[in-house]
Amino acid sequence: NAGVTQTPKFQVLKTGQSMTLQCAQDMNHNSMYWYRQDPGMGLRLIYYSASEGTTDKGEVPNGYNVSRLNKREFSLRLESAAPSQTSVYFCASSVSLGAFFGQGTRLTVV
Amino acid sequence: GQQLNQSPQSMFIQEGEDVSMNCTSSSIFNTWLWYKQEPGEGPVLLIALYKAGELTSNGRLTAQFGITRKDSFLNISASIPSDVGIYFCAGKNYGGSQGNLIFGKGTKLSVKP
Repeated sequence: NAGVTQTPKFQVLKTGQSMTLQCAQDMNHNSMYWYRQDPGMGLRLIYYSASEGTTDKGEVPNGYNVSRLNKREFSLRLESAAPSQTSVYFCASSVSLGAFFGQGTRLTVV
Repeated sequence: GQQLNQSPQSMFIQEGEDVSMNCTSSSIFNTWLWYKQEPGEGPVLLIALYKAGELTSNGRLTAQFGITRKDSFLNISASIPSDVGIYFCAGKNYGGSQGNLIFGKGTKLSVKP
């Protein structure tokens, strides 16, 4: 019963480095999301994918790219990390019953 | 962009008290969701609402989907220490893209034994 799996759980990057956050779900959901969570800001949508092959920008897409590799996997890429991208990142997947979240990736950019 | 206004931002209550929090929006949603998040964890779905006027319970939790489709509330009855956490409302966009799911900024609940 894995649900939504995110890797890695923790990451420290230097400014300018790139990395990809991985997300996979085993619930056969069509929709997948990437959020970032900062203190006092709640969950802000970065990108989402309503179905395989489609992606759309959310509230805070600048500095990020995404790939919906197949129905199971939705990755988030930081091409040139900046300290302002220090945050906790959550991946989620959903059907009409609601969205289900992974455990999060705590990213620090120094 | 769309925003959800969630209130209150925080609550400090005594064990056994009832709790009420709400969420409002300038936009219509066709689905309202309520989540709880504990430290170091991802949000966990508590209640989902799909029809205007719908009232749904999950144990001591009760949530309602407002008639106007622009608001929702969550009540917790007889609070206990394990209710501590941050509660988020979320709305799913009406029309347009099917995938857009917007969150409020959360209500932080503290329960004093």
